[in-house]
Amino acid sequence: DAGVIQSPRHEVTEMGQEVTLRCKPISGHNSLFWYRQTMMRGLELLIYFNNNVPIDDSGMPEDRFSAKMPNASFSTLKIQPSEPRDSAVYFCASSGTGFIEAFFGQGTRLTVV
Amino acid sequence: GEDVEQSLFLSVREGDSSVINCTYTDSSSTYLYWYKQEPGAGLQLLTYIFSNMDMKQDQRLTVLLNKKDKHLSLRIADTQTGDSAIYFCAETSNQAGTALIFGKGTTLSVSS
Repeated sequence: DAGVIQSPRHEVTEMGQEVTLRCKPISGHNSLFWYRQTMMRGLELLIYFNNNVPIDDSGMPEDRFSAKMPNASFSTLKIQPSEPRDSAVYFCASSGTGFIEAFFGQGTRLTVV
Repeated sequence: GEDVEQSLFLSVREGDSSVINCTYTDSSSTYLYWYKQEPGAGLQLLTYIFSNMDMKQDQRLTVLLNKKDKHLSLRIADTQTGDSAIYFCAETSNQAGTALIFGKGTTLSVSS
């Protein structure tokens, strides 16, 4: 298996633009997590899904952020409109039944100018 | 609520032992983890310990868990320059679909 795949790896966008981050979890995993990493706040859990259903989105910073998981093999995190303070590395992770280990993607480095 | 605290930096010489400490608040935590992040990369699981264990050893890594004090530590024996990275402590409960809660990470710097 190729592991958790995130795209794009890097994204530079202008303030006010819409940004969509994509994630393909490991096949067979039923939990998917979106995290954001910044120097100031470390790794923050934004939202996670179990069997494609959002379980906890209390970490989503504000209404500009939304996440979907239309099927077991794909999830998106959308920011609209983007702001400079959204600049961070966004990680997607997935885990299987029993949840011993969460496997992380390589991350998407987002820069909003 | 859940909270995980770590010291931010640790600097050691090559060949010395490194000890990275972590405290957590969720007493229902079932698993406690150590993840490693190298520059520009995602997080990789180093090791984990089940909450009914006191110690786990895996080659150069030793994890100690003091459940009473909610204290977790990671000891790296014979630290190498390749061990330089950010180390994250994380906890989770055994509830279905529960997410990992991470500390802010400890940056380990190993000098030769």
